[in-house]
Amino acid sequence: EVQLVESGGGLVKPGGSLRLSCAASGFSFKSYSMNWVRQAPGKGLEWVSTISSSSSYIYYADSVKGRFTISRDDARNSLYLQMNSLRAEDTAVYYCARSSGSVDYWGQGTLVTVSS
Amino acid sequence: DIQMTQSPSSLSASVGDRVTITCRASQDIGTYLAWFQQKPGKAPKSLIYAASSLQSGVPSKFSGSGSGTDFTLTISSLQPEDLATYYCHHYNTYPLTFGGGTKVEI
Repeated sequence: EVQLVESGGGLVKPGGSLRLSCAASGFSFKSYSMNWVRQAPGKGLEWVSTISSSSSYIYYADSVKGRFTISRDDARNSLYLQMNSLRAEDTAVYYCARSSGSVDYWGQGTLVTVSS
Repeated sequence: DIQMTQSPSSLSASVGDRVTITCRASQDIGTYLAWFQQKPGKAPKSLIYAASSLQSGVPSKFSGSGSGTDFTLTISSLQPEDLATYYCHHYNTYPLTFGGGTKVEI
């Protein structure tokens, strides 16, 4: 069974940093592209970043480019999102999602709140 | 960037009704279109990929169609458990984008 479990969310002050993790199991993690997608409270889904298998390519939404860094550790079956210079508008539930062409599996999400 | 426009933004229907949600892309995306269901307080769930292919385990009452710029998601017989917000999503090119969502009420 495919499982994606996010962790690392919490309350952080504007300008602060946070590192999200996603632990994957039930599939060959190294073979899949992985994504972060977020959802602000009461709002829709927003794609944040994608990393391909072998980290061959990485893409970011303009809203996070230069502030967020996606990475993966295939030996640990883990996906990460390093978030720096956080802003109030980054407040959201962050989902880890697997891609097989399109997104096919989602984690349960971790809440990031940016507030003073 | 490719914009995805869903309509309606919300709808109310009765149990047993056939429900159709539309999604329009701002440019041709072929069939690089997915649909997701998000129940209140839950993570999204993948329903359809490649515009019309059902994800494993998704009931056949869900169907998708379309190509190019115009797409539809149909629920053939609405049930109480289908209360959710439905999102379309293109994966044709980066940046990936989602539609604004359609809230389905029973």
